[in-house]
Amino acid sequence: QQPVQSPQAVILREGEDAVINCSSSKALYSVHWYRQKHGEAPVFLMILLKGGEQMRHEKISASFNEKKQQSSLYLTASQLSYSGTYFCGTEGLGGGADGLTFGKGTHLIIQP
Amino acid sequence: NAGVTQTPKFQVLKTGQSMTLQCAQDMNHNSMYWYRQDPGMGLRLIYYSASEGTTDKGEVPNGYNVSRLNKREFSLRLESAAPSQTSVYFCASSSGRGNQPQHFGDGTRLSIL
Repeated sequence: QQPVQSPQAVILREGEDAVINCSSSKALYSVHWYRQKHGEAPVFLMILLKGGEQMRHEKISASFNEKKQQSSLYLTASQLSYSGTYFCGTEGLGGGADGLTFGKGTHLIIQP
Repeated sequence: NAGVTQTPKFQVLKTGQSMTLQCAQDMNHNSMYWYRQDPGMGLRLIYYSASEGTTDKGEVPNGYNVSRLNKREFSLRLESAAPSQTSVYFCASSSGRGNQPQHFGDGTRLSIL
């Protein structure tokens, strides 16, 4: 079942912060975060593992609450280059190589 | 560094025609995947191959077939294209372990008239 992402879209001024949430109805082994710019392929940002630590990629960080089956992506002091669509992809407790289930995405627009 | 290479990049078909989308990776990855992306739907898994010699259905396999030709190559075939298969198709690969990212190709934009 697809994880639910919120919000669906957000518009920020450069330098502002944003939080994107990803919630699943099933127990998770990992949550992957990707960013996709228009007309391009998704680009990997980070993975949050069950029992793992909060991760960071430049000024973007993420957390994973295993009990709530939720992950949040935190963008601080946003830059114009952060614009795009952010997707979470979840992996069940079976782990392994059977693919990710992606949310519908969150559109992020950064204005100067 | 090529990574994941998909061909063709664009294709227009007529309803009922057949076509094979090609995907190759040069990262020695065990696992490969085919996703389709439709507006507002995110990425949905069509088929995957956990390792050479194996393939399995994903969330939306109807109307598609796949072949894992060797460790590098994983093709997706539409036997009789339908307008509902108009989409952007992405191939991805990973080492197969749960803590490793998936690497995506640039996509194939397919229109069925």
